[in-house]
Amino acid sequence: AQKITQTQPGMFVQEKEAVTLDCTYDTSDQSYGLFWYKQPSSGEMIFLIYQGSYDEQNATEGRYSLNFQKARKSANLVISASQLGDSAMYFCAMRQYNFNKFYFGSGTKLNVKP
Amino acid sequence: ETGVTQSPTHLIKTRGQQVTLRCSSQSGHNTVSWYQQALGQGPQFIFQYYREEENGRGNFPPRFSGLQFPNYSSELNVNALELDDSALYLCASSKQGVDYGYTFGSGTRLTVV
Repeated sequence: AQKITQTQPGMFVQEKEAVTLDCTYDTSDQSYGLFWYKQPSSGEMIFLIYQGSYDEQNATEGRYSLNFQKARKSANLVISASQLGDSAMYFCAMRQYNFNKFYFGSGTKLNVKP
Repeated sequence: ETGVTQSPTHLIKTRGQQVTLRCSSQSGHNTVSWYQQALGQGPQFIFQYYREEENGRGNFPPRFSGLQFPNYSSELNVNALELDDSALYLCASSKQGVDYGYTFGSGTRLTVV
């Protein structure tokens, strides 16, 4: 069964506007971590933000925030004030601590227009 | 502090051959995990090593094996290469017990012909 679902293969956003990238996950575990990574064309995965399953507050890192809705099993990434350099692939990922396994979604390609 | 480095950056192999990919961990990190990313897809978790032992594995056959060395660097070995093994192989290091802070390398692009 798919553990991480990203339903938006591609997204466009105007520079300086905010954009939300969707992510839903599937697990019966109580303890897990949710991550967002950015992958530019160079291939390196760049860590953006982390949310632990027991964290009650949504995580924020600069222009990135994670909208964590545990009951709905969603972990959407919000990028505020988009910049041209934000154009890249974005991956949502989940780490299951009980089994030491890591799952990635299929990614969303974000294009920021000037 | 140095990041995660992977070698080689690109590699071409023939079907049936064996390949070894290498990864040096970020300073202070003691856990290494490996991922296979086919073109246009998200990374797939292969396995994780901690204290030189495998302590987590994805759905990959036994011909995918690994090693972790005392200095926390790691190797990924793939035997009997198949065409579908063509992918970007990513390595990530982290510190055991720290739930975030996985640092990825830039990957090795393997092409099997």
